[in-house]
Amino acid sequence: DIQMTQSPSSLSASVGDRVTITCRASQSISTFLNWYQQKPGKAPNLLIYAASSLQTGVPSRFSGRGSGTDFTLTISSLQPEDFATYYCHQTYSTRTFGQGTKVEI
Amino acid sequence: QVQLVQSGVEVKKPGASVKVSCKASGYTFTTYGISWVRQAPGQGLEWMGWISADTGNTYYAQIVQGRVTVTTDTSTSTAYMELTSLTSDDTAVYYCARDQRYSTNWLDHWGQGTLVTVSS
Repeated sequence: DIQMTQSPSSLSASVGDRVTITCRASQSISTFLNWYQQKPGKAPNLLIYAASSLQTGVPSRFSGRGSGTDFTLTISSLQPEDFATYYCHQTYSTRTFGQGTKVEI
Repeated sequence: QVQLVQSGVEVKKPGASVKVSCKASGYTFTTYGISWVRQAPGQGLEWMGWISADTGNTYYAQIVQGRVTVTTDTSTSTAYMELTSLTSDDTAVYYCARDQRYSTNWLDHWGQGTLVTVSS
């Protein structure tokens, strides 16, 4: 299976900060990469699909980039509601998620 | 609006089976697929399997292959996930999510989750 490694595992940030989360695949996955946000006790929510496409209804402060093995999720100006755990998800082969990145105040 | 409503909490003994349902509404069921994802307490997300609600084709993760079966009932727009030979490692919240029709890809709507506890 393709391994997905996110970094960092957690980070502390303040409202208004620019935050970047990285996801690295153990082999090339083209742009078969999605990003989800999950808040405690809730189901995940799709933010970005196909590496860089913004899901309908998701604020434009979220953006995704990358192809091959290296991908990033950027929040341009962190808002209070963005404190959550973020997961990358590859769908190139047997589907796997990254281990998650917790964004804390 | 798109909604996926899952069945309620389950408590099972080791060796038993569990079947979780996921009723879809707000879209044409057969033009999408359904994936199942689970999350053990305090852990990350684990994809388990996918079914096309159109063709009935399935695709399973190796880690649960042989123990998991995903089915659909198009007459009621409901998907089911059955997991057999349960162990304590299967204790988790199980989510269904709307997926793509011909292959599993991005998951754009999720159910509320079903807690399955395996304990003697």
